[in-house]
Amino acid sequence: GAVVSQHPSRVICKSGTSVKIECRSLDFQATTMFWYRQFPKQSLMLMATSNEGSKATYEQGVEKDKFLINHASLTLSTLTVTSAHPEDSSFYICSARRRGDEQYFGPGTRLTVT
Amino acid sequence: SQQGEEDPQALSIQEGENATMNCSYKTSINNLQWYRQNSGRGLVHLILIRSNEREKHSGRLRVTLDTSKKSSSLLITASRAADTASYFCATDPNSGNTPLVFGKGTRLSVIA
Repeated sequence: GAVVSQHPSRVICKSGTSVKIECRSLDFQATTMFWYRQFPKQSLMLMATSNEGSKATYEQGVEKDKFLINHASLTLSTLTVTSAHPEDSSFYICSARRRGDEQYFGPGTRLTVT
Repeated sequence: SQQGEEDPQALSIQEGENATMNCSYKTSINNLQWYRQNSGRGLVHLILIRSNEREKHSGRLRVTLDTSKKSSSLLITASRAADTASYFCATDPNSGNTPLVFGKGTRLSVIA
């Protein structure tokens, strides 16, 4: 099956700093990637849809200036959490989809903001 | 936004018993998928059932889909302690570039 990787798997940062998370589709080209966030004991909530070569589409309530998404190539999307605060601590999961095929999920990134 | 609800929210059973989890959704779908997630880990894809299918099996898993009721169930037979995890249903609205929409999940505990 298709593989999607995320880096880093865990990151701890201080409040006010920015953190970049990478999502890569390793064996297929993904014109669209998705970013989800999951708080403890909750489900995955879609944050944004990342489109290669164009602006991301954000879900209602997600601050686009805080969660910067860049999908510069067909295999890489990045999520930058700017000026992170403790309430941004969460599990961030990306997924990539081949047209007409299943959605493949990355292993997730645990962000802890101290 | 989330598509629907899963019930129960939490389920605790003895090893060897069967576990049934239900999922309801709101809009029309192309397919419905079930995932497992161990605590603090990523998602594991379990099974996909298409909108024109009513039942599907994979090992100890049995999934049903009732599109008229907009509901699905996941049955795990002869449960094991290793089945302890959270289980999520996710609906796929179509086969284009749309994201999966997850239910709230069921936390299953299998006691040895």
